[in-house]
Amino acid sequence: EIVMTQSPATLSVSPGERVTLSCRASQSLTSKLAWYQQKPGQAPRLLIYGASARATGVPARFSGSGSGTEFTLTISSLQSEDFAVYYCQQYINWPPTITFGQGTRLEIK
Amino acid sequence: QVQLVQSGAEVKKPGASVKVSCKASGYTFTNYAISWVRQAPGQGLEWMGWISAYNGDTNYAQKLQGRVTVTTDTSRSTAYMEVRSLRSDDTAVYYCARDRAAVSPSVFDFWGQGTQVTVSS
Repeated sequence: EIVMTQSPATLSVSPGERVTLSCRASQSLTSKLAWYQQKPGQAPRLLIYGASARATGVPARFSGSGSGTEFTLTISSLQSEDFAVYYCQQYINWPPTITFGQGTRLEIK
Repeated sequence: QVQLVQSGAEVKKPGASVKVSCKASGYTFTNYAISWVRQAPGQGLEWMGWISAYNGDTNYAQKLQGRVTVTTDTSRSTAYMEVRSLRSDDTAVYYCARDRAAVSPSVFDFWGQGTQVTVSS
């Protein structure tokens, strides 16, 4: 099974700051990597797929990069509504299975 | 607009089974797949399994293989997920999610509201 490792587990930041979240895979994913945002009591929301493509309706301050085993999600200027938990997810086609990272919690500093 | 509406909360005893439904609307059901993801209290996301509404292919997380079955009723645009031999660590919120691809698990662009399943004696 492909293991996804996110860092850090928790990040305390101030509104307006730029933040970078990391996700590492135990084997190459090429670009089969997605990012989700989850707020308390809500279902996850797709932000990024294909490592760098923004999903419909996602603000431009969210960007994804990386390939192979190292990926990042960058939020250029944090808004109050961005404080949430972020998960990366791999979907390499073989073996055909899905795994998520353990999540990074963004907290207000 | 795309919507996935799940069935209501369930309380089950250890060893029992639970079946959760997920009714889709706002898109052509058979053009996509459905995945099931669960989240234990205070924990992260765990993918459980996937079914193509296009051709009926399924794929399961190895950890749950043999205890979980996912099905669809295309006439009702509804997907189902059954877990058997429930244990206390199956207590979680269970989500269905639309998969952007129809032929292999990929990314999930719309999610149901979640169904709380509690396993307790």
